[in-house]
Amino acid sequence: GAGVSQTPSNKVTEKGKYVELRCDPISGHTALYWYRQSLGQGPEFLIYFQGTGAADDSGLPNDRFFAVRPEGSVSTLKIQRTERGDSAVYLCASGLAGGPLNEQFFGPGTRLTVL
Amino acid sequence: DAKTTQPPSMDCAEGRAANLPCNHSTISGNEYVYWYRQIHSQGPQYIIHGLKNNETNEMASLIITEDRKSSTLILPHATLRDTAVYYCIVSANFGNEKLTFGTGTRLTIIP
Repeated sequence: GAGVSQTPSNKVTEKGKYVELRCDPISGHTALYWYRQSLGQGPEFLIYFQGTGAADDSGLPNDRFFAVRPEGSVSTLKIQRTERGDSAVYLCASGLAGGPLNEQFFGPGTRLTVL
Repeated sequence: DAKTTQPPSMDCAEGRAANLPCNHSTISGNEYVYWYRQIHSQGPQYIIHGLKNNETNEMASLIITEDRKSSTLILPHATLRDTAVYYCIVSANFGNEKLTFGTGTRLTIIP
């Protein structure tokens, strides 16, 4: 079946601009996660949704970052007033709620470049 | 979540067993050991997990020491497609826990 998809695959923007990154999780997965990965580092947790609500947003670096999941499926990560330090690969993952296994299925990521 | 320590890189000859070590000396009783891998330009992929018993699936085997302070991921017959960064992660298994990745081990399979 279809895996997690993310669009766009690449995004180049200028410092100070606003960007939106989209994640389509696996159908039926109620848990959705956003991670950010800088070059040479492992993915870093940003936010976790259980259904429509953000259950844990402790990883969001500052208030320029915001994410929504209004219908409990597709999620959008929004970054305001982008900075060069925001350049990274943004990964989305989904999983089953309440299961005994913490298996997360990752998308291919969106590579964001802020010039 | 407990911290893990892995060697930054390893090489393995194609067809041989690849043994990737991980130290997690501060693991607590309700925490599982998970392994994920990330092939270049892809998202991480789940491999295997375990609590205290050794585990095996179609991808790999996981050996956890009796004191649970370390573990080894074994790829029994490594192929070139196994070249990737391998992450050892400790996570409480309540489901839906955020994963805390370190920098992993970059495994290179040599033809």
